[in-house]
Amino acid sequence: DTEVTQTPKHLVMGMTNKKSLKCEQHMGHRAMYWYKQKAKKPPELMFVYSYEKLSINESVPSRFSPECPNSSLLNLHLHALQPEDSALYLCASSPKGVRSSYNSPLHFGNGTRLTVT
Amino acid sequence: AQTVTQSQPEMSVQEAETVTLSCTYDTSESDYYLFWYKQPPSRQMILVIRQEAYKQQNATENRFSVNFQKAAKSFSLKISDSQLGDAAMYFCAFGQGGSEKLVFGKGMKLTVNP
Repeated sequence: DTEVTQTPKHLVMGMTNKKSLKCEQHMGHRAMYWYKQKAKKPPELMFVYSYEKLSINESVPSRFSPECPNSSLLNLHLHALQPEDSALYLCASSPKGVRSSYNSPLHFGNGTRLTVT
Repeated sequence: AQTVTQSQPEMSVQEAETVTLSCTYDTSESDYYLFWYKQPPSRQMILVIRQEAYKQQNATENRFSVNFQKAAKSFSLKISDSQLGDAAMYFCAFGQGGSEKLVFGKGMKLTVNP
């Protein structure tokens, strides 16, 4: 299994809703990432989990709450979002954790297209 | 701070022809890695090719090869025998050794004409 699976593919939510994005990989990777990508822009890093611990938070607003229940799963809980949060949310994984001196390529999922109304 | 620059927002190429995508970067680090990622309309970011800074030999992957000029901080991607499936956004990315953060360029849209 060489895939990173993200669900749902599309999500429309109101500003008062609570929803979650889910990411799953079974490649034994120990680092998992959330990226946000606006149209025609590069991905922007949001969070990194290494060995199930949050290692990087790129000053993301608290209305985004990541969770890593185990080494295969990564969630992103959403609450009280704003319309400007509408974007493609990409999950990625890599074999090595943050202390590795070897930069492993990222394996990306297909993303969740989020629309906040 | 590291920066990655892709100066051409769009390019087009005829099917079966060769195209070169440019990328420059700026860093004071000696231990780093460079990547080219492709993002087709399916949205998934796919690794095309990877280059370690300490390696002098340019990386190649089938029809894809890089021209890595370390002194000039240049990392261009050459696509030979272009195919319709090569049409996508291409992002150049920089990764510092030991860091899990990638710095992406702004991307370049490649169109392949039949």
